[in-house]
Amino acid sequence: SQQGEEDPQALSIQEGENATMNCSYKTSINNLQWYRQNSGRGLVHLILIRSNEREKHSGRLRVTLDTSKKSSSLLITASRAADTASYFCATDAGNSGGSNYKLTFGKGTLLTVNP
Amino acid sequence: NAGVMQNPRHLVRRRGQEARLRCSPMKGHSHVYWYRQLPEEGLKFMVYLQKENIIDESGMPKERFSAEFPKEGPSILRIQQVVRGDSAAYFCASSPGGTVYGYTFGSGTRLTVV
Repeated sequence: SQQGEEDPQALSIQEGENATMNCSYKTSINNLQWYRQNSGRGLVHLILIRSNEREKHSGRLRVTLDTSKKSSSLLITASRAADTASYFCATDAGNSGGSNYKLTFGKGTLLTVNP
Repeated sequence: NAGVMQNPRHLVRRRGQEARLRCSPMKGHSHVYWYRQLPEEGLKFMVYLQKENIIDESGMPKERFSAEFPKEGPSILRIQQVVRGDSAAYFCASSPGGTVYGYTFGSGTRLTVV
């Protein structure tokens, strides 16, 4: 699998339900970030979690990070139709020469929230 | 603060033509990054620039692609002699420093080569 690979590829839920997306990666990281991309638009940064953090919250978003399993999850609670978008996790290169500006993105999870 | 501005939003080029994509970073940001997104794919790093310097171009194809970020004006990603495989969305991001604290991305330029 690729660095920063999301699972599932697609998720369809009803408004009000929670949505959970997972991300796995291969190499050590400094940070892991989640981005949202609405169809045909740019990426919006949602949340960044550092390698020494295990959980982070931002509004209806909850991100967890398990460095021992090299995985992260993004939970969106009480979903809304406006949350319909693709969600990407992105990892940096970790301590490989300090090039932590270079993000590696997965292919994303397409979330559809039905009204 | 207008955010990261990219233009044009859509660009159609015939095979063999040149494509120029422009990116103006957020005010106060001196670091610019270009990424490419092929259909159904995640973003792939292309190049990292600071004013008048290319810091890392390890993701750039060896031929036909070049990037610059002059002292004045926007960053330019230039693709010469475009081919169909260059059709993609090209995103620019900027940051105030060289480390990752959550990029601000532009809305992208969607290049279609016909």
